[in-house]
Amino acid sequence: KQEVTQIPAALSVPEGENLVLNCSFTDSAIYNLQWFRQDPGKGLTSLLLIQSSQREQTSGRLNASLDKSSGRSTLYIAASQPGDSATYLCAVSGPSGTYKYIFGTGTRLKVLA
Amino acid sequence: GAGVSQSPRYKVAKRGQDVALRCDPISGHVSLFWYQQALGQGPEFLTYFQNEAQLDKSGLPSDRFFAERPEGSVSTLKIQRTQQEDSAVYLCASSFGNGNNEQFFGPGTRLTVL
Repeated sequence: KQEVTQIPAALSVPEGENLVLNCSFTDSAIYNLQWFRQDPGKGLTSLLLIQSSQREQTSGRLNASLDKSSGRSTLYIAASQPGDSATYLCAVSGPSGTYKYIFGTGTRLKVLA
Repeated sequence: GAGVSQSPRYKVAKRGQDVALRCDPISGHVSLFWYQQALGQGPEFLTYFQNEAQLDKSGLPSDRFFAERPEGSVSTLKIQRTQQEDSAVYLCASSFGNGNNEQFFGPGTRLTVL
């Protein structure tokens, strides 16, 4: 059974720092890995999608990498801003059946001005 | 609309009442997913549709939960005889094609059962 873990559970950093969020999964036979952002009381906003054949994706100040063999993904946020404060969730689909996502419990990020 | 929409955004029900939650996916998206998110947790899968066919309902927690998508677009998640443990945010997501693509999420319906 696929399990997804995110470390750390919470993180507080001063504005301007570069930071790394970690996601690990137990079964490497995934289809996709997707990173989301969730603001309090809101739905999920897609940040980056990495398909199983890819190693990384970049969007603006965000870079996500995927190492399937070790069951790990990292989300790198450059030059953090207070507006980046949110909960960050990673989710994987696979290894079998429908393309449902298995989510981690998230990392709550607070960027201090 | 451009995104996934859900209604109502908030629902308060008395224990034992039936509720119906609606999801309007992005136009043209074949796949539709329902997830349940408890406070402080990541979303958990409930059920998956490809067009009107419900291909996976393995995540539905009990036979009180029922979902349908009769015309392959709008979907309704129904919960019968609600219990306090059903209190959660119910999220709907859609994706283009057979589901192996980026999932786009709606704002969710926050259900509170008193």
